[in-house]
Amino acid sequence: GESVGLHLPTLSVQEGDNSIINCAYSNSASDYFIWYKQESGKGPQFIIDIRSNMDKRQGQRVTVLLNKTVKHLSLQIAATQPGDSAVYFCAENEASGGSYIPTFGRGTSLIVHP
Amino acid sequence: NAGVTQTPKFQVLKTGQSMTLQCAQDMNHEYMSWYRQDPGMGLRLIHYSVGAGITDQGEVPNGYNVSRSTTEDFPLRLLSAAPSQTSVYFCATSTSGDEQYFGPGTRLTVT
Repeated sequence: GESVGLHLPTLSVQEGDNSIINCAYSNSASDYFIWYKQESGKGPQFIIDIRSNMDKRQGQRVTVLLNKTVKHLSLQIAATQPGDSAVYFCAENEASGGSYIPTFGRGTSLIVHP
Repeated sequence: NAGVTQTPKFQVLKTGQSMTLQCAQDMNHEYMSWYRQDPGMGLRLIHYSVGAGITDQGEVPNGYNVSRSTTEDFPLRLLSAAPSQTSVYFCATSTSGDEQYFGPGTRLTVT
């Protein structure tokens, strides 16, 4: 079956640096992608999404880039703060009968050092 | 609004016991789903529902049953618990499976 994976399981950065978290996907039918943040002991929380007809989307301090040619997704966090320390998941979504069926990647642990 | 609530927060079962994990939402979302999360792994879809009376299997449905009699509730039943079902279970809701709102999770240990 097709799957979503991540290039780096752990990323350590200094406070104030920019962080880039990568994700590879292989399902060419996926048309909607989401990044989630999961803090220790909590459920995942939506950060930002992007549809396949876009290649870039910006939020507050976060930017998601989508490269459909190489099936690659990245999350950029500007001026990383200690509160950004968490596990970040990408999820690819394939439309099915009017709803989406998500597939999650393994996750990348982001550690921000003060 | 409470959002998505899950009970219990923690549970320890012996092999062969059965139990029901509860999930309730007050967001009036049609789509609800159950995931399990194992150490170092992403979330794997167990079962999902696109509306009351409709359920379907996800990636790892074996050993679990669900039903959806109301929009608000989506319980997950473990029929005969096995150590391989030790995991953290998350319930999530969304309008159509896109942006998902997750509950706080239930940490289940099967001995």
